[in-house]
Amino acid sequence: DAKTTQPNSMESNEEEPVHLPCNHSTISGTDYIHWYRQLPSQGPEYVIHGLTSNVNNRMASLAIAEDRKSSTLILHRATLRDAAVYYCILPNRDDKIIFGKGTRLHILP
Amino acid sequence: DSGVTQTPKHLITATGQRVTLRCSPRSGDLSVYWYQQSLDQGLQFLIQYYNGEERAKGNILERFSAQQFPDLHSELNLSSLELGDSALYFCASSVATFWDHGNTEAFFGQGTRLTVV
Repeated sequence: DAKTTQPNSMESNEEEPVHLPCNHSTISGTDYIHWYRQLPSQGPEYVIHGLTSNVNNRMASLAIAEDRKSSTLILHRATLRDAAVYYCILPNRDDKIIFGKGTRLHILP
Repeated sequence: DSGVTQTPKHLITATGQRVTLRCSPRSGDLSVYWYQQSLDQGLQFLIQYYNGEERAKGNILERFSAQQFPDLHSELNLSSLELGDSALYFCASSVATFWDHGNTEAFFGQGTRLTVV
């Protein structure tokens, strides 16, 4: 199963864009790239997912590299409410949704 | 609101006891996943059911068991409880399985906080 690598933590200023990177160099051609986040004291929350082309929704954008070995979650204008742990996840052949350590995003007012 | 309902929200019980956590998936979702999150720890995958059948198993203790009923709700049973079982237990649901149809989203409940004293 393909693995993902994310920085342990990142900081950003409020109202500025945030780019959260994820490396997945062993991704297979049919693996969707998923992003979830977990706000403090809450359950994980779906953010976005994509296969090849860039994806946008009301929460974020997902930029996928042409070779698909990396992707970037983009929060266009971070707010204090975006402070959370962000997880980049690939499907697992055993049907498990496995969460790694993720990136803890700190937003500075 | 994710549409996934977990009950109870909080549970305090003594060591050695048995508890049942309940999860009602979103309407139409066939897959249910259970996770354990201890204090300041990551999300540990426990078990997954799809349309009533066990589909995947993580590092779930033998003292723990789960099932998914015909109406698709699921229960996680924890027995012979130990202090170390104190954690948040999350349930998630999705329309399809995560692997068979990677183009699917999972929705999580707000969790049951279990405290074993």
